[in-house]
Amino acid sequence: SQTIHQWPATLVQPVGSPLSLECTVEGTSNPNLYWYRQAAGRGLQLLFYSVGIGQISSEVPQNLSASRPQDRQFILSSKKLLLSDSGFYLCAWERGGRWGTEAFFGQGTRLTVV
Amino acid sequence: AQSVTQPDIHITVSEGASLELRCNYSYGATPYLFWYVQSPGQGLQLLLKYFSGDTLVQGIKGFEAEFKRSQSSFNLRKPSVHWSDAAEYFCAVGAGDTGNQFYFGTGTSLTVIP
Repeated sequence: SQTIHQWPATLVQPVGSPLSLECTVEGTSNPNLYWYRQAAGRGLQLLFYSVGIGQISSEVPQNLSASRPQDRQFILSSKKLLLSDSGFYLCAWERGGRWGTEAFFGQGTRLTVV
Repeated sequence: AQSVTQPDIHITVSEGASLELRCNYSYGATPYLFWYVQSPGQGLQLLLKYFSGDTLVQGIKGFEAEFKRSQSSFNLRKPSVHWSDAAEYFCAVGAGDTGNQFYFGTGTSLTVIP
């Protein structure tokens, strides 16, 4: 069966520090991968999605970047965190080649920038 | 443009009472529709989905939803709410034909009182 792992679960980082959140999927190949950010009362905002290794699409200009160094690995990064980067970050995967048919979510990372 | 509206930010119901959470969408084609549930500090879990066919779909945990094309709605229902149903509920549209992804509503927070 397929599983998705996302870590760390919580993170407190000072302003200006770098960020690296990792997401891996097991039990499937060539998945579509997504990074979402969830702010209180604002639902889910799509940050990045990827259809394959090295292929990243950005939905919103921001202080963040994403990379997909391996088929089932998706990394969210920042060189210098801002206070506004605080939030709940969710990674999700979907069966490759089937857009918008069902997304499976990780458990999320609560990021607090202080 | 695709969008999802959940008009109720917060709903409170008594345990054992019936529940209906509203969802309206804007989409140019036949949508894929989803309801997800999120417990505090957790990722999203799929409750049910509609792709085609019978407009009344059954999901997990006793939930059901009805797709009404004429009203562009996909409301979630449960005949008798349990205290464990207290959570955040998200409606989503899968924009499969745009090579894109999912559009989420801003969520409805459900409180269940004894």
